[in-house]
Amino acid sequence: QVQLVQSGAEVKKPGSSVKVSCKASGGTFSSYGFSWVRQAPGQGLEWMGGVIPIFDTAKYAQKFEGRVTITADESTRTAYMELSSLRSEDTAIYYCARDRLGTIDFWGQGTLVTVSS
Amino acid sequence: DVVMTQSPLSLPVTLGQPASISCRSSQSLVHSDGNTYLNWFQQRPGQSPRRLIYKVSNRDSGVPDRFSGSGSGTDFTLKISRVEAEDVGVYYCMQGTHWPLTFGGGTKVEIK
Repeated sequence: QVQLVQSGAEVKKPGSSVKVSCKASGGTFSSYGFSWVRQAPGQGLEWMGGVIPIFDTAKYAQKFEGRVTITADESTRTAYMELSSLRSEDTAIYYCARDRLGTIDFWGQGTLVTVSS
Repeated sequence: DVVMTQSPLSLPVTLGQPASISCRSSQSLVHSDGNTYLNWFQQRPGQSPRRLIYKVSNRDSGVPDRFSGSGSGTDFTLKISRVEAEDVGVYYCMQGTHWPLTFGGGTKVEIK
């Protein structure tokens, strides 16, 4: 069974950066993509971007372009999402999710990132 | 970006009664490969989303058969034939045909 285990909650100051990890177990790693989706408190789901490990390429939603970096390390089966220049509006739960062929089939447990001075 | 519009925003339902959620896209979700990449997710309170349906009408393993998906082009529906207490949560449609992936705003299903 595929499992995506994310790193723990973070509290960050405005203007700083956060890096969240997502370790995959079960299934193949490289032939899937890994997306990052965030959910602000009481709000819906928002796709931020994704990476395909086998191609080592990432794509980002325009809203986050320049501020987010998504990478994957095949040797450790881990995907990462780094978000910089944090502001209070970035307070949210960040989910990693496995994607391929127009769908997301597995989700991580979510990582709460709180941005507060 | 493709805009996904769900209705209603909130859906109070009596236990054992049917429920229906609509999802409309701002452009056709038929991919050049012939597939339609429309997905439905359930998010129970305090949990991560869980996929229920992919490619319009394919139910995931372990998903009760009271859940069904239908539709084509730009107009899609998720139906619950008889709502149970465990179905409470927010339901999202998501399109994967066009980049970037986009989600509907969600429909909250609650028990009357």
